[in-house]
Amino acid sequence: EIVLTQSPGTLSLSPGERATLSCRASQSVSTTSLAWYQQKPGQAPRLLIYGASYRATGVADRFSGSGVGTQFTLTISRLEPEDFAVYYCQQYGDSPLTFGGGTKVEIK
Amino acid sequence: QVQLVQSGAELRQPGASVKISCKASGYTFTKYAIHWVRQAPGQGLEWMGRIHTGDGNTRYSQKFQGRVTFTRDTSASIAYMEVSTLTSEDTAVYYCAKDFYSSGYPCDYWGQGTLVTVSS
Repeated sequence: EIVLTQSPGTLSLSPGERATLSCRASQSVSTTSLAWYQQKPGQAPRLLIYGASYRATGVADRFSGSGVGTQFTLTISRLEPEDFAVYYCQQYGDSPLTFGGGTKVEIK
Repeated sequence: QVQLVQSGAELRQPGASVKISCKASGYTFTKYAIHWVRQAPGQGLEWMGRIHTGDGNTRYSQKFQGRVTFTRDTSASIAYMEVSTLTSEDTAVYYCAKDFYSSGYPCDYWGQGTLVTVSS
């Protein structure tokens, strides 16, 4: 199975700053089948990005995704208070679908 | 609007089984697979598998093969997941989620989660 490794584990930033989250795959992810989710405490995950770079419906344009092959990035251009949460990457090109371990973005 | 509403929290003893329901509304149930994902306390997300609600075809993560069963009732737009031979390591929040496109894509709508606690 494809193992996804997210880094850093925790990102401490202030509102207004730029956040860069990394997701590395143990083997190439087919056809950029990579998604990003946001999860807040006590809530279900929310789909942010699919196809590595396409924003899901209703997602603010400060969220952007990039990458191909084994290296992917989620960028939040300017952090808003509601963006402090845990972010997971997921590959869906190969079964079993797998998630990364998550990156927590916390307020500095 | 699309909604997935799951059944309530469950407490089971080790060795027992649990069956969780996921009622879908706001879209054509049989056009999109339902995925099941779990999250142990304080841990990350783990994909368990999916069922294509149209033809009932299932795909299980090998970790859960033989111990988890997905079914659906198309007349009621409900998906079910049953987990057998529970251990304390199965204590988790279990989510159902709708496939974004058809089957084998990310999940765009999620249920609220069902907490399953396994304890004697």
